[in-house]
Amino acid sequence: DSGVTQTPKHLITATGQRVTLRCSPRSGDLSVYWYQQSLDQGLQFLIHYYNGEERAKGNILERFSAQQFPDLHSELNLSSLELGDSALYFCASSVASGGHSTFQETQYFGPGTRLLVL
Amino acid sequence: DAKTTQPPSMDCAEGRAANLPCNHSTISGNEYVYWYRQIHSQGPQYIIHGLKNNETNEMASLIITEDRKSSTLILPHATLRDTAVYYCIVRVVGGSNYKLTFGKGTLLTVNP
Repeated sequence: DSGVTQTPKHLITATGQRVTLRCSPRSGDLSVYWYQQSLDQGLQFLIHYYNGEERAKGNILERFSAQQFPDLHSELNLSSLELGDSALYFCASSVASGGHSTFQETQYFGPGTRLLVL
Repeated sequence: DAKTTQPPSMDCAEGRAANLPCNHSTISGNEYVYWYRQIHSQGPQYIIHGLKNNETNEMASLIITEDRKSSTLILPHATLRDTAVYYCIVRVVGGSNYKLTFGKGTLLTVNP
């Protein structure tokens, strides 16, 4: 158990719909990362938040958005869903500070949310 | 893009050591080598990381060559539960972007 929790575990929805995935980081971790894993693309970084602020964006579609709340939990919002959005969505957390650091910011992953768009 | 090369698959007998190689010939001086594994669609699990010295923890050992262009992850006594995809990742620690770039990894199958 990594200490990172994600809900829901499974989500089935229809094309055109909107869903919200939730992530609670490990206690004390300020950074949250979202990753998408699909069969054809592998594990891909989507976005990174640190202490409520967006820090980096990866291959995140404009239909997707995220935020990190004052209690440090994060939500990933996926809208206008398409069949190709079906994937595993993982959240990870780390202690990571926002600037240069001399310590290693190991990321710990949650169990993921499996999204199926029909 | 991932800057590592790993064999797509390997087999290992239960109880024997599993040695998983990784090439990272373009690694920079400030880049660490990280290893994660993913057991059948579960969340990736951190194993170990290192900069230039060999490292050991309760899960595995990491051997990094002196020129740092390759490394080997060693699972000393593989069990069936070690069957997973193992990812070798090179990343800069610090700065403003902490993303992990996963390649295709090595599927390690531990056989009874």
